[in-house]
Amino acid sequence: SQQGEEDPQALSIQEGENATMNCSYKTSINNLQWYRQNSGRGLVHLILIRSNEREKHSGRLRVTLDTSKKSSSLLITASRAADTASYFCATPGTGGFKTIFGAGTRLFVKA
Amino acid sequence: DTAVSQTPKYLVTQMGNDKSIKCEQNLGHDTMYWYKQDSKKFLKIMFSYNNKELIINETVPNRFSPKSPDKAHLNLHINSLELGDSAVYFCASKEGGAHEKLFFGSGTQLSVL
Repeated sequence: SQQGEEDPQALSIQEGENATMNCSYKTSINNLQWYRQNSGRGLVHLILIRSNEREKHSGRLRVTLDTSKKSSSLLITASRAADTASYFCATPGTGGFKTIFGAGTRLFVKA
Repeated sequence: DTAVSQTPKYLVTQMGNDKSIKCEQNLGHDTMYWYKQDSKKFLKIMFSYNNKELIINETVPNRFSPKSPDKAHLNLHINSLELGDSAVYFCASKEGGAHEKLFFGSGTQLSVL
């Protein structure tokens, strides 16, 4: 079953603008991950935030986690054309081995 | 060196045929996965092996059979291919224990005609 749902499904912005993507999930989690997928490629891990963290930074990426609202957001600042990709949130499934992905947000950054 | 490699990258075949996709990881990870990504980009887990033992088997037709000869390899064999099997199949791996980060292969685009 799908755990995370991203919003919006698609986002088109100009280079230099910020891009914000949201993820909502249904059950309690101990961590949440964000991945990027370039066209025709596999997913690449971007960042993991644990349930006891509220915010985490990595370069131009900022991730927040609100466990009371069961939601997370990924902010990409000063976007570049190379940021054009699909972005997925992922949460643990039962048993500790399963990682469940949302449907993704397609980001298009215009040069 | 590619960390998770899968072959072939493209596979075009007729309905009813049997085909295999191979995956190898050189990261020393204990756990490997097969995911299926449909045309809407939705990624669904199919199988997982931990140290050659099957630990996840989602609701997948039994025409799909994974095989793990050792913990560095996880292959996927598909019998009697159907049109609905057309998708991109991704292999992934991760370390055991509490490590959550997945490493993905570049995918195999399967087209069933």
